[in-house]
Amino acid sequence: GDSVTQMEGPVTLSEEAFLTINCTYTATGYPSLFWYVQYPGEGLQLLLKATKADDKGSNKGFEATYRKETTSFHLEKGSVQVSDSAVYFCALSDSPGAQKLVFGQGTRLTINP
Amino acid sequence: NAGVMQNPRHLVRRRGQEARLRCSPMKGHSHVYWYRQLPEEGLKFMVYLQKENIIDESGMPKERFSAEFPKEGPSILRIQQVVRGDSAAYFCASSEQGGEQFFGPGTRLTVL
Repeated sequence: GDSVTQMEGPVTLSEEAFLTINCTYTATGYPSLFWYVQYPGEGLQLLLKATKADDKGSNKGFEATYRKETTSFHLEKGSVQVSDSAVYFCALSDSPGAQKLVFGQGTRLTINP
Repeated sequence: NAGVMQNPRHLVRRRGQEARLRCSPMKGHSHVYWYRQLPEEGLKFMVYLQKENIIDESGMPKERFSAEFPKEGPSILRIQQVVRGDSAAYFCASSEQGGEQFFGPGTRLTVL
């Protein structure tokens, strides 16, 4: 079945550092890919998404590019802030309508001032 | 416009009791999804419902778990005879037809 594998955490960086969180997937067909962020005590919020190969999703300085050849969707940000501290989840949906989502295990990110 | 609402936010039950988790979707959304998050793990899909219909329950345990989304009122996830392994955060999401899923804050169930 479909699956998502994320870089294991926790990840600790200093403010203004460059961030990469790796995500690879296994799926039949052509899934849509997502990054969600979960702040402490809250539900998940959609951060960005891409629905076809070579699409780049971006939001709040975060970017991820749908790489079909490497089945990857790595999350990047050029300069992180303390407020980016959260848990980040990579996910896929095998239908364009984003029905059942399959999540990675999550990566906890802590940014120190 | 209120977001997805879940209640209670925290629920404590003793082994063998029943747990009822409620989810009110965003206004205008007729699709509801339930996910379970075990400690230090990602979310696992449980069930997808539309009003009065279960569309996909492939992630629901075969016993003790049930879900409904009546014509009126919130969606309910019901766990009968809870065991310690049911302790988790349960998240509900809602969407329009084919649209983005919006998540609620979750219900954290603790089974003593």
